[in-house]
Amino acid sequence: NAGVTQTPKFQVLKTGQSMTLQCAQDMNHNSMYWYRQDPGMGLRLIYYSASEGTTDKGEVPNGYNVSRLNKREFSLRLESAAPSQTSVYFCASSYKATNEKLFFGSGTQLSVL
Amino acid sequence: RKEVEQDPGPFNVPEGATVAFNCTYSNSASQSFFWYRQDCRKEPKLLMSVYSSGNEDGRFTAQLNRASQYISLLIRDSKLSDSATYLCVVSRTGKLIFGQGTTLQVKP
Repeated sequence: NAGVTQTPKFQVLKTGQSMTLQCAQDMNHNSMYWYRQDPGMGLRLIYYSASEGTTDKGEVPNGYNVSRLNKREFSLRLESAAPSQTSVYFCASSYKATNEKLFFGSGTQLSVL
Repeated sequence: RKEVEQDPGPFNVPEGATVAFNCTYSNSASQSFFWYRQDCRKEPKLLMSVYSSGNEDGRFTAQLNRASQYISLLIRDSKLSDSATYLCVVSRTGKLIFGQGTTLQVKP
């Protein structure tokens, strides 16, 4: 049971570099999410996709773009990384947008120098 | 002010103790309430939903007070394996809003 798989697990970038975080789920879920987690801040929603073909901004979308490639995959792109984007990133999915049971991936630790 | 506030702790308790965590939320339009558990450097996982009438799941009891906009989680007979961060989560217009978490350390 893979559940939600996100890659990479760790990444170090220099300021200004770009990268894409990949996320895939095999639970036939309709909704997918990207969160970031910073000390003392809790998880904050960056972008979400309520269903295939739709994406919407969350609480902290600036500096990020997303693509819902198909029902399984939802990627997060940093076009020009900044030190403020140093964080742990979690991808999550749920059966539907109003279903509050989220299944999370194992996280990506990103450091931007 | 954060929309969902928790005491970050840490709460250090001996095995067998009873411990309670509190959480307050500021938006009265919040619709659903949950506790998630997060182990160190791992992903969060749903622990339990919180219902207005209060609910239990084994050693865990959750309470909701809508009038005071307050949620609680009680853990009885703490185990070493309960050591984790407990996240209070509120749902509003289909979006989940997470508190920053309360860390529990259960000592032998």
